[in-house]
Amino acid sequence: AQSVTQPDIHITVSEGASLELRCNYSYGATPYLFWYVQSPGQGLQLLLKYFSGDTLVQGIKGFEAEFKRSQSSFNLRKPSVHWSDAAEYFCAVGARTGFQKLVFGTGTRLLVSP
Amino acid sequence: KAGVTQTPRYLIKTRGQQVTLSCSPISGHRSVSWYQQTPGQGLQFLFEYFSETQRNKGNFPGRFSGRQFSNSRSEMNVSTLELGDSALYLCASSPSTGGDIYEQYFGPGTRLTVT
Repeated sequence: AQSVTQPDIHITVSEGASLELRCNYSYGATPYLFWYVQSPGQGLQLLLKYFSGDTLVQGIKGFEAEFKRSQSSFNLRKPSVHWSDAAEYFCAVGARTGFQKLVFGTGTRLLVSP
Repeated sequence: KAGVTQTPRYLIKTRGQQVTLSCSPISGHRSVSWYQQTPGQGLQFLFEYFSETQRNKGNFPGRFSGRQFSNSRSEMNVSTLELGDSALYLCASSPSTGGDIYEQYFGPGTRLTVT
Protein backbone atom coordinates (compact mmCIF):
# COMPACT_ATOMS: atom_id res chain seq x y z
CA ALA A 1 0.00 0.00 0.00
CA GLN A 2 1.16 3.48 -0.69
CA SER A 3 1.88 6.12 1.96
CA VAL A 4 3.04 9.72 2.11
CA THR A 5 5.11 11.54 4.72
CA GLN A 6 5.25 15.29 5.08
CA PRO A 7 7.77 15.77 7.89
CA ASP A 8 7.09 19.44 8.51
CA ILE A 9 3.82 20.28 10.26
CA HIS A 10 4.42 24.04 10.14
CA ILE A 11 6.82 26.20 8.17
CA THR A 12 7.24 29.95 8.43
CA VAL A 13 8.79 31.83 5.53
CA SER A 14 9.35 35.53 5.04
CA GLU A 15 7.54 37.13 2.15
CA GLY A 16 9.83 37.14 -0.88
CA ALA A 17 11.94 34.26 0.39
CA SER A 18 12.15 30.88 -1.31
CA LEU A 19 10.11 27.89 -0.17
CA GLU A 20 10.62 24.14 -0.18
CA LEU A 21 8.04 21.75 1.26
CA ARG A 22 9.13 18.16 1.70
CA CYS A 23 7.24 15.06 0.65
CA ASN A 24 8.37 11.45 0.80
CA TYR A 25 6.29 8.61 -0.54
CA SER A 26 6.26 4.87 -0.27
CA TYR A 27 5.05 2.82 -3.21
CA GLY A 28 6.32 -0.30 -4.92
CA ALA A 29 6.25 1.10 -8.43
CA THR A 30 6.43 4.50 -10.08
CA PRO A 31 3.63 6.47 -8.48
CA TYR A 32 1.39 9.24 -9.59
CA LEU A 33 2.18 12.28 -7.39
CA PHE A 34 0.23 15.42 -6.65
CA TRP A 35 0.44 18.60 -4.64
CA TYR A 36 -2.74 20.30 -3.46
CA VAL A 37 -3.29 23.51 -1.51
CA GLN A 38 -6.13 24.22 0.89
CA SER A 39 -7.08 27.62 2.23
CA PRO A 40 -9.06 27.75 5.49
CA GLY A 41 -12.60 26.46 5.09
CA GLN A 42 -12.05 25.59 1.45
CA GLY A 43 -11.62 22.52 -0.67
CA LEU A 44 -8.37 21.39 -2.24
CA GLN A 45 -6.88 23.05 -5.29
CA LEU A 46 -4.51 21.09 -7.53
CA LEU A 47 -1.12 22.78 -7.83
CA LEU A 48 0.68 20.24 -9.97
CA LYS A 49 1.01 16.57 -10.81
CA TYR A 50 3.64 14.07 -11.88
CA PHE A 51 2.66 11.11 -14.00
CA SER A 52 5.78 10.36 -16.05
CA GLY A 53 8.48 11.99 -18.15
CA ASP A 54 10.33 15.11 -17.07
CA THR A 55 11.00 14.88 -13.35
CA LEU A 56 10.69 18.64 -12.86
CA VAL A 57 7.06 19.67 -13.18
CA GLN A 58 5.64 23.14 -13.29
CA GLY A 59 2.36 24.05 -11.70
CA ILE A 60 0.11 26.99 -11.11
CA LYS A 61 0.93 30.07 -9.02
CA GLY A 62 4.66 29.74 -9.74
CA PHE A 63 5.10 26.40 -7.96
CA GLU A 64 7.27 23.55 -9.19
CA ALA A 65 8.13 20.11 -7.86
CA GLU A 66 10.87 17.63 -8.55
CA PHE A 67 10.40 13.87 -8.56
CA LYS A 68 13.46 12.04 -7.27
CA ARG A 69 13.02 8.30 -7.53
CA SER A 70 16.25 7.50 -5.65
CA GLN A 71 15.06 9.49 -2.64
CA SER A 72 11.34 8.66 -2.98
CA SER A 73 10.68 12.37 -2.78
CA PHE A 74 8.51 14.93 -4.50
CA ASN A 75 9.38 18.27 -2.92
CA LEU A 76 7.44 21.41 -3.73
CA ARG A 77 9.31 24.66 -4.37
CA LYS A 78 8.63 28.30 -5.06
CA PRO A 79 11.37 30.88 -5.62
CA SER A 80 9.56 33.82 -4.00
CA VAL A 81 6.67 33.44 -1.59
CA HIS A 82 3.74 35.86 -1.50
CA TRP A 83 1.54 36.50 1.54
CA SER A 84 -1.37 34.91 -0.35
CA ASP A 85 0.52 31.59 -0.39
CA ALA A 86 -0.24 31.10 3.30
CA ALA A 87 -2.32 27.92 3.41
CA GLU A 88 -2.03 24.19 4.04
CA TYR A 89 -0.26 22.08 1.46
CA PHE A 90 -0.89 18.41 0.88
CA CYS A 91 1.18 15.89 -1.02
CA ALA A 92 -0.69 12.88 -2.37
CA VAL A 93 0.14 9.64 -4.12
CA GLY A 94 -2.00 7.53 -6.40
CA ALA A 95 -1.45 3.97 -7.52
CA ARG A 96 -1.39 2.95 -11.15
CA THR A 97 -4.43 0.75 -10.77
CA GLY A 98 -7.00 2.81 -12.59
CA PHE A 99 -8.79 3.59 -9.35
CA GLN A 100 -9.06 7.22 -8.37
CA LYS A 101 -7.91 6.73 -4.79
CA LEU A 102 -5.42 9.22 -3.43
CA VAL A 103 -3.43 8.75 -0.25
CA PHE A 104 -2.58 12.08 1.35
CA GLY A 105 0.15 13.22 3.66
CA THR A 106 -0.74 14.98 6.89
CA GLY A 107 -0.13 18.40 5.37
CA THR A 108 2.24 21.29 5.98
CA ARG A 109 0.85 24.60 7.14
CA LEU A 110 2.71 27.52 5.57
CA LEU A 111 2.84 30.80 7.43
CA VAL A 112 4.20 33.86 5.62
CA SER A 113 5.72 36.63 7.71
CA PRO A 114 5.98 40.23 6.50
CA LYS B 1 -16.61 24.84 -16.98
CA ALA B 2 -18.21 25.02 -13.61
CA GLY B 3 -16.30 23.33 -10.82
CA VAL B 4 -17.38 20.61 -8.45
CA THR B 5 -20.31 21.68 -6.34
CA GLN B 6 -21.38 20.24 -3.01
CA THR B 7 -24.55 20.78 -1.07
CA PRO B 8 -25.19 21.67 1.62
CA ARG B 9 -22.05 23.52 2.66
CA TYR B 10 -22.81 23.25 6.37
CA LEU B 11 -24.88 20.79 8.32
CA ILE B 12 -25.59 20.20 12.00
CA LYS B 13 -27.05 16.87 13.03
CA THR B 14 -27.69 15.00 16.26
CA ARG B 15 -26.17 11.65 17.21
CA GLY B 16 -28.19 8.76 15.84
CA GLN B 17 -29.60 10.69 12.89
CA GLN B 18 -28.68 10.08 9.29
CA VAL B 19 -27.44 12.54 6.70
CA THR B 20 -27.17 12.73 2.92
CA LEU B 21 -24.60 14.86 1.16
CA SER B 22 -24.70 15.71 -2.52
CA CYS B 23 -22.00 16.28 -5.12
CA SER B 24 -22.21 17.45 -8.71
CA PRO B 25 -19.03 16.76 -10.67
CA ILE B 26 -17.47 18.82 -13.41
CA SER B 27 -19.38 18.38 -16.64
CA GLY B 28 -18.12 15.35 -18.52
CA HIS B 29 -16.44 13.75 -15.51
CA ARG B 30 -17.73 10.28 -14.75
CA SER B 31 -15.59 9.48 -11.72
CA VAL B 32 -16.55 10.84 -8.32
CA SER B 33 -14.60 10.19 -5.14
CA TRP B 34 -15.38 11.08 -1.55
CA TYR B 35 -12.94 11.91 1.23
CA GLN B 36 -13.31 12.65 4.92
CA GLN B 37 -11.06 15.28 6.48
CA THR B 38 -10.62 15.53 10.24
CA PRO B 39 -7.91 17.16 12.37
CA GLY B 40 -6.98 13.82 13.89
CA GLN B 41 -7.03 11.48 10.89
CA GLY B 42 -6.37 13.91 8.07
CA LEU B 43 -7.70 13.20 4.60
CA GLN B 44 -9.05 9.70 4.19
CA PHE B 45 -10.54 8.07 1.12
CA LEU B 46 -14.13 6.91 1.51
CA PHE B 47 -15.12 5.53 -1.90
CA GLU B 48 -15.11 6.14 -5.63
CA TYR B 49 -17.91 5.79 -8.14
CA PHE B 50 -17.55 5.46 -11.87
CA SER B 51 -20.50 5.11 -14.23
CA GLU B 52 -22.85 4.38 -11.33
CA THR B 53 -20.64 1.59 -9.94
CA GLN B 54 -18.56 1.69 -6.79
CA ARG B 55 -15.03 0.90 -7.92
CA ASN B 56 -13.11 1.27 -4.71
CA LYS B 57 -13.86 1.64 -1.03
CA GLY B 58 -11.83 2.88 1.90
CA ASN B 59 -11.69 1.49 5.39
CA PHE B 60 -14.89 2.94 6.81
CA PRO B 61 -17.81 1.18 8.52
CA GLY B 62 -20.91 0.20 6.61
CA ARG B 63 -22.73 3.24 8.00
CA PHE B 64 -21.02 5.15 5.21
CA SER B 65 -22.52 4.51 1.82
CA GLY B 66 -22.88 6.24 -1.48
CA ARG B 67 -24.35 6.09 -4.91
CA GLN B 68 -24.00 7.68 -8.29
CA PHE B 69 -26.70 8.60 -10.72
CA SER B 70 -26.74 8.33 -14.49
CA ASN B 71 -25.83 12.04 -14.79
CA SER B 72 -22.71 11.34 -12.64
CA ARG B 73 -24.04 13.26 -9.67
CA SER B 74 -23.27 11.45 -6.45
CA GLU B 75 -24.61 11.28 -2.94
CA MET B 76 -23.12 9.88 0.20
CA ASN B 77 -25.10 8.83 3.20
CA VAL B 78 -24.07 8.36 6.79
CA SER B 79 -26.50 6.54 9.04
CA THR B 80 -26.61 6.44 12.82
CA LEU B 81 -24.34 9.43 13.18
CA GLU B 82 -21.62 9.44 15.83
CA LEU B 83 -19.76 12.39 17.28
CA GLY B 84 -16.62 11.18 15.49
CA ASP B 85 -18.33 11.65 12.14
CA SER B 86 -17.95 15.41 12.50
CA ALA B 87 -15.69 16.33 9.61
CA LEU B 88 -15.28 18.12 6.32
CA TYR B 89 -16.53 15.82 3.58
CA LEU B 90 -14.89 16.47 0.26
CA CYS B 91 -16.06 15.32 -3.12
CA ALA B 92 -13.71 15.13 -6.09
CA SER B 93 -14.33 14.43 -9.74
CA SER B 94 -11.91 13.27 -12.37
CA PRO B 95 -11.93 12.78 -16.14
CA SER B 96 -11.05 9.13 -15.66
CA THR B 97 -12.23 6.91 -18.47
CA GLY B 98 -11.78 3.84 -16.35
CA GLY B 99 -8.32 2.73 -17.42
CA ASP B 100 -5.88 4.99 -15.62
CA ILE B 101 -5.57 7.52 -12.85
CA TYR B 102 -6.18 11.18 -13.50
CA GLU B 103 -5.99 14.31 -11.45
CA GLN B 104 -8.92 14.95 -9.15
CA TYR B 105 -10.72 18.26 -8.78
CA PHE B 106 -12.22 18.95 -5.41
CA GLY B 107 -15.35 20.73 -4.34
CA PRO B 108 -15.52 23.15 -1.40
CA GLY B 109 -16.72 20.43 0.96
CA THR B 110 -19.62 19.94 3.34
CA ARG B 111 -18.87 20.71 6.97
CA LEU B 112 -20.82 18.21 9.10
CA THR B 113 -21.12 18.77 12.81
CA VAL B 114 -22.65 16.04 14.96
CA THR B 115 -23.88 17.07 18.40
